[in-house]
Amino acid sequence: EAQVTQNPRYLITVTGKKLTVTCSQNMNHEYMSWYRQDPGLGLRQIYYSMNVEVTDKGDVPEGYKVSRKEKRNFPLILESPSPNQTSLYFCASKVSRDINSPLHFGNGTRLTVT
Amino acid sequence: AQSVAQPEDQVNVAEGNPLTVKCTYSVSGNPYLFWYVQYPNRGLQFLLKYITGDNLVKGSYGFEAEFNKSQTSFHLKKPSALVSDSALYFCAVRDSGSTLGRLYFGRGTQLTVWP
Repeated sequence: EAQVTQNPRYLITVTGKKLTVTCSQNMNHEYMSWYRQDPGLGLRQIYYSMNVEVTDKGDVPEGYKVSRKEKRNFPLILESPSPNQTSLYFCASKVSRDINSPLHFGNGTRLTVT
Repeated sequence: AQSVAQPEDQVNVAEGNPLTVKCTYSVSGNPYLFWYVQYPNRGLQFLLKYITGDNLVKGSYGFEAEFNKSQTSFHLKKPSALVSDSALYFCAVRDSGSTLGRLYFGRGTQLTVWP
């Protein structure tokens, strides 16, 4: 089954404790992206990647890092989480050659930073 | 700059009645518009898109959307709502300056269909 898999689904952590949210897709998509969803704000893009070893900032990159060492994986790293990073996070992927191809989303990771 | 606005945070409709979820857009250049749906505890799913051509676009689950250039709108519609349509709906516009098809999302509209 074609899918985007995020782990974990739920995560509670404390301020300053480094964490990684994993994302993997099995559709051989070139483009991958991370979003955060906050009430009243919709989805905002954090980082995106065009392909392996190519990443770029979205609208809200501060406090986050990403890497793209393999085509299928695109982990989101919070080196020193803070309470304002409490949010619902989504990973998404799509083919790059069709500029209007739809995004495929994972089921989300709900992060709470205390 | 591209943006979309969803003027209603919530839409409530009775099962069997027609539903409309509103979206207006602001773009420089041609508009490329999308609708996504988010069911509880799930990621967003693509419903439909307008790129060019017919102003009425048909999508998944019986949904359709009407593109209106003069009113800069792209409202999502369904002739007969189902309780299972209850979900969060997002309108999105493609960044015309992006070679990757980057999307900007609206704030979302919570649709509740009551039996």
